Amino acid sequence: GAGVSQSPSNKVTEKGKDVELRCDPISGHTALYWYRQSLGQGLEFLIYFQGNSAPDKSGLPSDRFSAERTGGSVSTLTIQRTQQEDSAVYLCASSLYGGGQLSTDTQYFGPGTRLTVL
Amino acid sequence: GNSVTQMEGPVTLSEEAFLTINCTYTATGYPSLFWYVQYPGEGLQLLLKATKADDKGSNKGFEATYRKETTSFHLEKGSVQVSDSAVYFCALKGTSGSRLTFGEGTQLTVNP
Repeated sequence: GAGVSQSPSNKVTEKGKDVELRCDPISGHTALYWYRQSLGQGLEFLIYFQGNSAPDKSGLPSDRFSAERTGGSVSTLTIQRTQQEDSAVYLCASSLYGGGQLSTDTQYFGPGTRLTVL
Repeated sequence: GNSVTQMEGPVTLSEEAFLTINCTYTATGYPSLFWYVQYPGEGLQLLLKATKADDKGSNKGFEATYRKETTSFHLEKGSVQVSDSAVYFCALKGTSGSRLTFGEGTQLTVNP
C-alpha cells in the first residue's frame, strides 16, 4: 500500500515568510509524528498526534512552529516568520498505535520536505 | 531523559569486509530499540528492531542484539556490499513515551 507522503519535496523561502508543510500518513495509522533533520542537531522530535488526544508539542523549538491534524489524517506543520536556522529536512512519520503500552509500534517515515530559508 | 550514542563516523570499508557500528543508550525501563537506514537521496527506512532484552533483530544480512546489561544495540554485518553505503541511525522508543530518540547517525561508505 501507499507509504507516508509529504509535500512539497523542496521549499525555498525568504526569511520572514510563513511556510506550510503537508503530511499524508499511511491509511489507518492513528499516530503521526514530525521530526526535523538538520546538520547541527541531527534528528529531533517536534510534535506527536495520537487519535483525538491533545498533541505532544514538547519538541517544538519556538512558538513560531505549530501543527494541526485534521480529521485524524492529514497534518500540516506551519512555520511563521521563518529564520535561516529553520533550514532543515522536515520528516513526517506515522504508526499504527502510537505510544504507551504499545511501545513496540514501528514508525514509518515519509521522504521529507527540504526547507531552505534564504 | 533518554539518549542514544553512536560511534562517530564516517566509516569506510572495502566490499566483503565485516561491519560493526556501535550504539549505546540511556533510558529508564525497557525501551524498544531500532536501526534505521537512509540511502542517498531517500527517506528513513526501518532496518531492524528489538523490543526486549536479548532479542536479536535481523534484516538484509544485518543483525543487532538488545543487550540490557551493557545498554547496547550494536549493528553488525558479516560481508558488506557497495549497496550498503548509507547513513545508519540507532534509535530508541521509551516505554512511556511515543517519540523516537535518535543517535547522531553513522555514514558508511563501501568501496568495490
